[in-house]
Amino acid sequence: GQNIDQPTEMTATEGAIVQINCTYQTSGFNGLFWYQQHAGEAPTFLSYNVLDGLEEKGRFSSFLSRSKGYSYLLLKELQMKDSASYLCASMDSNYQLIWGAGTKLIIKP
Amino acid sequence: DTAVSQTPKYLVTQMGNDKSIKCEQNLGHDTMYWYKQDSKKFLKIMFSYNNKELIINETVPNRFSPKSPDKAHLNLHINSLELGDSAVYFCASSQEWSDSYNEQFFGPGTRLTVL
Repeated sequence: GQNIDQPTEMTATEGAIVQINCTYQTSGFNGLFWYQQHAGEAPTFLSYNVLDGLEEKGRFSSFLSRSKGYSYLLLKELQMKDSASYLCASMDSNYQLIWGAGTKLIIKP
Repeated sequence: DTAVSQTPKYLVTQMGNDKSIKCEQNLGHDTMYWYKQDSKKFLKIMFSYNNKELIINETVPNRFSPKSPDKAHLNLHINSLELGDSAVYFCASSQEWSDSYNEQFFGPGTRLTVL
């Protein structure tokens, strides 16, 4: 079956670094997406990886290992506004996104 | 300039009623989606349309019927609403269907509460 696993909740301190892990199992693979969702709002796109390695975009980076079915989202210099849920989604062979339940990130001052 | 818009934002109704949610995108995208996000926050795909044609129809009760009058609109009609239909419904769009780099743009969501 298809499955995305990520931690339910994480806590970090303002200014610190946090890594949110995601493992995926999908029928075929066409890329791994990370979205950010603030409470009561719509998900917004953060990153896309289809090749192994690290993609950096400002304070956010995303890593992919296809052989391990593993990705992580790295957030640096955490700010209070980074408090949100982070959704990992894998695109399967039918170009359908399979979503994880999201990791709620709590930032403390 | 709202990219993906949905109406209404909140919908409170009684069991057994029929209701519709409208979605429009002004991005010129070919593909539109309906998702359901329940209290556990899982986003589940319900339907996907590409150029007005249905391409994904997940295991959704046939009380749910999508309608795409043109490629910029995908409306969702729900008959005989049940308590379990209470959730947030998101509309989304993307440039193309069969394209790996397929960033989806989401509407603001419609919070449906069935009493």
